[in-house]
Formats: sequence, structure tokens, C-alpha cells
Amino acid sequence: GQNIDQPTEMTATEGAIVQINCTYQTSGFNGLFWYQQHAGEAPTFLSYNVLDGLEEKGRFSSFLSRSKGYSYLLLKELQMKDSASYLCAVSSNSGGYQKVTFGTGTKLQVIP
Amino acid sequence: KAGVTQTPRYLIKTRGQQVTLSCSPISGHRSVSWYQQTPGQGLQFLFEYFSETQRNKGNFPGRFSGRQFSNSRSEMNVSTLELGDSALYLCASSQTGQAYEQYFGPGTRLTVT
Repeated sequence: GQNIDQPTEMTATEGAIVQINCTYQTSGFNGLFWYQQHAGEAPTFLSYNVLDGLEEKGRFSSFLSRSKGYSYLLLKELQMKDSASYLCAVSSNSGGYQKVTFGTGTKLQVIP
Repeated sequence: KAGVTQTPRYLIKTRGQQVTLSCSPISGHRSVSWYQQTPGQGLQFLFEYFSETQRNKGNFPGRFSGRQFSNSRSEMNVSTLELGDSALYLCASSQTGQAYEQYFGPGTRLTVT
């Protein structure tokens, strides 16, 4: 089976940096996604890590360590609009195809 | 390019009834995946269709079924509705499958009374 853990809630201050962690246990690992979901809206793609290391995309960066089953999403220069849920999702082999399993999400509240 | 569309957006049904939800993927996308989202369980995978074939299936009872048409549009059916089926049902499309960036529709909010 698969197990994905991420904190339920986090609070951070506008302008600051926040790191959202995700740990996973899975067989046939292929890669790890991060999605952002604002309240009442659909998830939108943020990043996809396949290899170990840090991938930077503007204010957002995502890190992966396959040996540790660990990833984090780093948000810099936080803005109020970053208040949302952040979903960690693992892609793995399933019956010859790729299957994606989502974590329950981390609700981030950005305060002034 | 138009995004993923889902109809209807809101639905209220009674226990024991059945319901059909529809999803139109982004043009050119052949993979459509369905998810159930509830506050306690998060996003749970129902099934994925690719070129009219079910390619992957989650751990949901047989009351949940789906299909995909030749134009890649997909439908999801839930029979004998239960109160616990109340949820947001999201579909997502991608060019080749779940292992790539998925584009989500706005969802159908189903309430079972």
C-alpha cells in the first residue's frame, strides 16, 4: 500500500518563508507532485520532482529525497493569496501503468 | 484552449437513487481520472480512463463505475447512493496519464440526503 503524511495545518506571516513537508512510503515510486488548491476551487499543478534535489520555480521550490521518502515545498515571500491547501501526491507503478495517490493536504494560512 | 468542464456543478439526491456525472477533458487529452474529495479523507482516486479503457482503479465499491467515449469525454455513475457518498467529485485530464501534469475541472458537489 501507500502512505503519505503531511501536516494538517500551518500558519505563516506575509513576506516570510514556509516549508511544507511530505513523507511517503510506496513501492514502484516514480515521482512526486505538489498541487495548490484554494478553498472552493480545483487543484492546480505546482511542481513535479523525479530526481533528488531542489527544483525552483519563482517563489516556489520543491525538494525530493527518494532514499528518505521525503519532499518539501518551499514558499518564499509569502503573499496573502498563498493561503490555500497544498497537496502532496506520489506517482507509482500500478499494474504496468502510473497511478497517483494524494495526501490529505496541508492547509496554509498566511496572516498579515 | 478551454479547460476541463464538469456537469452538473451541484446535485442533490436521495439515498438509494443513482447519479451520473460528466467530464469533458481539455482538447487532445486522452486520459481522464476521477477523484472523490471529502474533508476527512482528502482526494481519493476512483479510476482512470485512457482511450475508452479503464486503466487504473481505486478502492471503491462496485457502485462506482465509469466510462469514456471516443471523444475522450467521460462519465461517472454512482448507483444506490449512500449518505457517505456526499462529496466533491473532481475529474482531471492529462495528455498521457496520471504520471504527468493533471488539469482539474471545477468539480461536482454531490449532496445525498
